[in-house]
Amino acid sequence: KNQVEQSPQSLIILEGKNCTLQCNYTVSPFSNLRWYKQDTGRGPVSLTIMTFSENTKSNGRYTATLDADTKQSSLHITASQLSDSASYICVVRRGPDQGNLIFGKGTKLSVKP
Amino acid sequence: NAGVTQTPKFRVLKTGQSMTLLCAQDMNHEYMYWYRQDPGMGLRLIHYSVGEGTTAKGEVPDGYNVSRLKKQNFLLGLESAAPSQTSVYFCATYWRDSGANVLTFGAGSRLTVL
Repeated sequence: KNQVEQSPQSLIILEGKNCTLQCNYTVSPFSNLRWYKQDTGRGPVSLTIMTFSENTKSNGRYTATLDADTKQSSLHITASQLSDSASYICVVRRGPDQGNLIFGKGTKLSVKP
Repeated sequence: NAGVTQTPKFRVLKTGQSMTLLCAQDMNHEYMYWYRQDPGMGLRLIHYSVGEGTTAKGEVPDGYNVSRLKKQNFLLGLESAAPSQTSVYFCATYWRDSGANVLTFGAGSRLTVL
């Protein structure tokens, strides 16, 4: 079954600390994986995309990794800020069909002062 | 440039009533999607469209209908609303030549069915 599992479900950290969010998938055939950030009451916004050949990609304080062999991805947030409080959603595209996106349930991150 | 606009943002319905959610985009994107988001669950695809005049079913299409008469608009209809359709609905668009599955989402429409 094509699934995307994210952990932890929720996370509370202090401002300035680092954290890592996990995404495991069983989607086949794999096309690519994208991380989205969803602020409360807003639609998701893309952070970064990982393709099969990419291992690491950074976008400011966000660094995503992909291990296609173990079918795992992580999103590392460095020096967290209050504005990082949001849900982070991992989305895997299955095959070429643009309608075939498998969404994880998200990790809710709360950054406290 | 408004991007993706959803109307209404909030709506309360009684069981059995009908309504239509409108998604409008000004980016000339070909692909448009309707998702629903429920607590503890990921975004689930209801219906999508790969171009004007076309629609296709997603993961949870039952109880919903859609239409794409114009490229810039994607309508989601509930003919007879049920409490199970209480949810936050998101519209998204995608441009196929971008080479990646980046979706542009609207701000969401919160629907409550009593």
